[in-house]
Amino acid sequence: QKEVEQNSGPLSVPEGAIASLNCTYSDRGSQSFFWYRQYSGKSPELIMSIYSNGDKEDGRFTAQLNKASQYVSLLIRDSQPSDSATYLCAVNQQTGANNLFFGTGTRLTVIP
Amino acid sequence: SAVISQKPSRDICQRGTSLTIQCQVDSQVTMMFWYRQQPGQSLTLIATANQGSEATYESGFVIDKFPISRPNLTFSTLTVSNMSPEDSSIYLCSVRQGYYEQYFGPGTRLTVT
Repeated sequence: QKEVEQNSGPLSVPEGAIASLNCTYSDRGSQSFFWYRQYSGKSPELIMSIYSNGDKEDGRFTAQLNKASQYVSLLIRDSQPSDSATYLCAVNQQTGANNLFFGTGTRLTVIP
Repeated sequence: SAVISQKPSRDICQRGTSLTIQCQVDSQVTMMFWYRQQPGQSLTLIATANQGSEATYESGFVIDKFPISRPNLTFSTLTVSNMSPEDSSIYLCSVRQGYYEQYFGPGTRLTVT
């Protein structure tokens, strides 16, 4: 079982719609969760972090965490063509490893 | 967040040669990491670069193939040794700041012919 799983997509949404990206993780003790955006040919850019159950909003982005279900999601409201990118979910593990474990990413396309 | 630069940004190398990639950070950081991202794939951690001591390598990566230096808290190098076409990849330097947040450099795109 992979540590972090994402639907690889591609996910296509029309401009102005809500894009919903999902991620599950295997280590129940994980404490820190991150979403990165990666444009084609660029390096990953941290866009959201979340540490406790519930929702965290930042502009058009909302991260949702449910530790009981080992599930973290990212909602993008009013999607724009500039949101078209691959979104990577990353999780640290309880074992105390200093690094993050990354999912394989979901490719999002926002259609004008 | 820290500003991270990498050199070179890209290179084309011949099989059997070595390439050293540099990572420079504009502020002191404790944790630095080297990742590899192969085409269409996610990120794979190669090693954690430890200041003043040997790097900590992940399973499948060895020091002879990927020697790492970390002479101070703002700089690290990764060498890809005795390269083969399978080493063609993007190599990314990353630093940890805050509570597990990691920030990435722009990457080095390596092609081995």
